[in-house]
Amino acid sequence: AQKITQTQPGMFVQEKEAVTLDCTYDTSDQSYGLFWYKQPSSGEMIFLIYQGSYDEQNATEGRYSLNFQKARKSANLVISASQLGDSAMYFCAMREDPGGTSYGKLTFGQGTILTVHP
Amino acid sequence: KAGVTQTPRYLIKTRGQQVTLSCSPISGHRSVSWYQQTPGQGLQFLFEYFSETQRNKGNFPGRFSGRQFSNSRSEMNVSTLELGDSALYLCASRGGSGLAGGGTQYFGPGTRLLVL
Repeated sequence: AQKITQTQPGMFVQEKEAVTLDCTYDTSDQSYGLFWYKQPSSGEMIFLIYQGSYDEQNATEGRYSLNFQKARKSANLVISASQLGDSAMYFCAMREDPGGTSYGKLTFGQGTILTVHP
Repeated sequence: KAGVTQTPRYLIKTRGQQVTLSCSPISGHRSVSWYQQTPGQGLQFLFEYFSETQRNKGNFPGRFSGRQFSNSRSEMNVSTLELGDSALYLCASRGGSGLAGGGTQYFGPGTRLLVL
């Protein structure tokens, strides 16, 4: 069963506008972490933002914010004031922490290609 | 701090050969995870090492193996290469554990493997 779903294969946004990338997840654990990574064409995965399942406030990191709706099991990434350099593939990922342990396994969605137009 | 480094960056092999990829984590990080990325299957978890012990393993055949050294550097090995092993292999390191942001994985630039 797919645990991370990114329903938008591609998104387009105008420079300086905001864009929301969708992510829904599925887990029966109470303790888990949600991550967003950016992958430019060079291939390197760049960490953007993290949200823990017990965090009461939505995470923010500069122009990135995570719209965390636990009951709906969604963790959408919001990029404000898009820049041309934001054009890349974006991945949502989940780390489950069964039994309170924290292992390094991330489960990734299929990704969303974001294109920023000037 | 220097980031995660992976060598080599690019590799071309032929079917049946074996390959060894190397990953040096961020200084102080003890956990190293490996992932395979292909256009068809996306990003898939291979295994995680922590303090020289494999803690978790993904659903890959036994041809895929790894190890970690006392300095936390890790290697993964693929024996008897198949065409389908062509992929970007990403290594990630993390410090700390638990639910806090300290459990974040930081990725290296990857090794692009082409099997002919």
